[in-house]
Amino acid sequence: AQSVTQLDSQVPVFEEAPVELRCNYSSSVSVYLFWYVQYPNQGLQLLLKYLSGSTLVKGINGFEAEFNKSQTSFHLRKPSVHISDTAEYFCAVNPRGGGGNKLTFGTGTQLKVEL
Amino acid sequence: NAGVTQTPKFQVLKTGQSMTLQCAQDMNHNSMYWYRQDPGMGLRLIYYSASEGTTDKGEVPNGYNVSRLNKREFSLRLESAAPSQTSVYFCASNGRSGNTIYFGEGSWLTVV
Repeated sequence: AQSVTQLDSQVPVFEEAPVELRCNYSSSVSVYLFWYVQYPNQGLQLLLKYLSGSTLVKGINGFEAEFNKSQTSFHLRKPSVHISDTAEYFCAVNPRGGGGNKLTFGTGTQLKVEL
Repeated sequence: NAGVTQTPKFQVLKTGQSMTLQCAQDMNHNSMYWYRQDPGMGLRLIYYSASEGTTDKGEVPNGYNVSRLNKREFSLRLESAAPSQTSVYFCASNGRSGNTIYFGEGSWLTVV
């Protein structure tokens, strides 16, 4: 079984400041890692994913995340946020190989960008 | 590109009523999923279907049934709705492990 922990339920930040959204996971098998974004009253959209290779993954809208196997973390970062980045962000894991190909989500982090 | 389409978008039910949420994908994906989203709890898997003809329970299956009608369609049924089933429901699909999972736009369900 897998679990995902997003320690921060809300992160307020001023526009043009950097931000980091934290994600830690637990799994008995290797996993693929994802970050999704949800804008108000919309579905989830993929920001980025780590499958293999370089541990630094770049996604859409200037976001990036770094996979740290020893710390079982996959933190999301952006060097300079914009008002339009205000949304809820979800970290998720998917077991490699079998396991039914299911995504397990964290509880989400609400990013609020202020002027 | 339609992607994952789910209907209805909004629904109000009385306790004890039944209804079916419909979902269809046009990406020829094998796997389909139903999640519910509640404040502070993220998305929780209700049921999933790894391929046409198979369905399995997820984390919170009680009070729900599903049907994988064909490769394109995966419906979620509430036989006797309860206020605890007030939630936003998302259908999703993907081709194989590691591939992006695509989500529908959500169905807002209120049970009074």
